[in-house]
Amino acid sequence: EAQVTQNPRYLITVTGKKLTVTCSQNMNHEYMSWYRQDPGLGLRQIYYSMNVEVTDKGDVPEGYKVSRKEKRNFPLILESPSPNQTSLYFCASSLRRPQGSLSGANVLTFGAGSRLTVL
Amino acid sequence: QKEVEQNSGPLSVPEGAIASLNCTYSDRGSQSFFWYRQYSGKSPELIMSIYSNGDKEDGRFTAQLNKASQYVSLLIRDSQPSDSATYLCAVPQSSTLGRLYFGRGTQLTVWP
Repeated sequence: EAQVTQNPRYLITVTGKKLTVTCSQNMNHEYMSWYRQDPGLGLRQIYYSMNVEVTDKGDVPEGYKVSRKEKRNFPLILESPSPNQTSLYFCASSLRRPQGSLSGANVLTFGAGSRLTVL
Repeated sequence: QKEVEQNSGPLSVPEGAIASLNCTYSDRGSQSFFWYRQYSGKSPELIMSIYSNGDKEDGRFTAQLNKASQYVSLLIRDSQPSDSATYLCAVPQSSTLGRLYFGRGTQLTVWP
């Protein structure tokens, strides 16, 4: 089954304890992206990757790191989590970047989400 | 001004009515536009994508794009209670490849 898999789905942690949220897709997608979703603020882009070893900042990259060493994986790293990073996180991927006009190639497939609470 | 703005909800319509969801965007160069649906506690999923001016129909859903007015809408005909969800408008930034902006979403409730 074509899917984007995120882990963990739920996590409660404490301030300053490094954590990694993994994201893996099995569709050979070039483009991957991380979003956080907060009430009243919608989905905000954290980081994105156009391909292996190519990553760039989105709207809210502070406090996060990413890497794209393999095409299928795009982990989100919180080096020193803080309470303002409590949020619902989504990983998403598409065959091509969002700006493309080839129908279907730039449609995002989302993971199930990871709810993170930082105390 | 936010990159993508949606009409503030929540929107409540009776079963069988037409639900109209609106979205405006600030980037005149944007070429592709998306509507995603998100059920409570779930992840977003694509409803419609539209790339050229005019209407695009898919079953009960119609997306309308007016690039001159920088406006994209989603009409849901014969609304069903199962359509109750939050609808997210998404617009890629034309000048920075990879950047994709979402509106805050409009929560739709269809009551029987």
